[in-house]
Amino acid sequence: AQSVTQPDIHITVSEGASLELRCNYSYGATPYLFWYVQSPGQGLQLLLKYFSGDTLVQGIKGFEAEFKRSQSSFNLRKPSVHWSDAAEYFCAVGAGRTSYDKVIFGPGTSLSVIP
Amino acid sequence: DVKVTQSSRYLVKRTGEKVFLECVQDMDHENMFWYRQDPGLGLRLIYFSYDVKMKEKGDIPEGYSVSREKKERFSLILESASTNQTSMYLCASRPGTLREKLFFGSGTQLSVL
Repeated sequence: AQSVTQPDIHITVSEGASLELRCNYSYGATPYLFWYVQSPGQGLQLLLKYFSGDTLVQGIKGFEAEFKRSQSSFNLRKPSVHWSDAAEYFCAVGAGRTSYDKVIFGPGTSLSVIP
Repeated sequence: DVKVTQSSRYLVKRTGEKVFLECVQDMDHENMFWYRQDPGLGLRLIYFSYDVKMKEKGDIPEGYSVSREKKERFSLILESASTNQTSMYLCASRPGTLREKLFFGSGTQLSVL
């Protein structure tokens, strides 16, 4: 069965600094990988996703993520963090290729941004 | 824009009560999901449905059931609420396969006293 770990429960960065949020997954084949963000008081929103092809994927709000098969990782990055990026970030993995397939979420990383 | 509406934002119930959480989506999506969100545990899948009257257990189905009589509506039922079911409940829908993104509702914060 697939699973997701996010080693960092909470991260604090200064505005303008770079950001990397870690995600590791467990699955036998190449999974579908996602990053979602939950801003305070708002629903979850998809930042980006990876299925195949180029291992560096671009998302919304200036985020990108890199798939590394050898490390079973899908880390999220942003070169310069804005105060509005303070939120909860969830990595998720999906397996299978049909409508019946579910998405499993990691425990989340809470990001605080210092002005 | 797709809208996933959960009937209540906050709900307070007593132990042993039967609780209904309603979710409606307005974009004819095939798949609907119920997750619960707890601090440090992320989102855990309770049940999902890929078609009307069809349902599949997620990772934590115990103590819950679901109903999908119409395509747009997916209900989560707590047969006999317990305090350990106090949580944020999130409904989501998806047009089709795993390639599509999930659309989430705003959530229902349920407190069982």
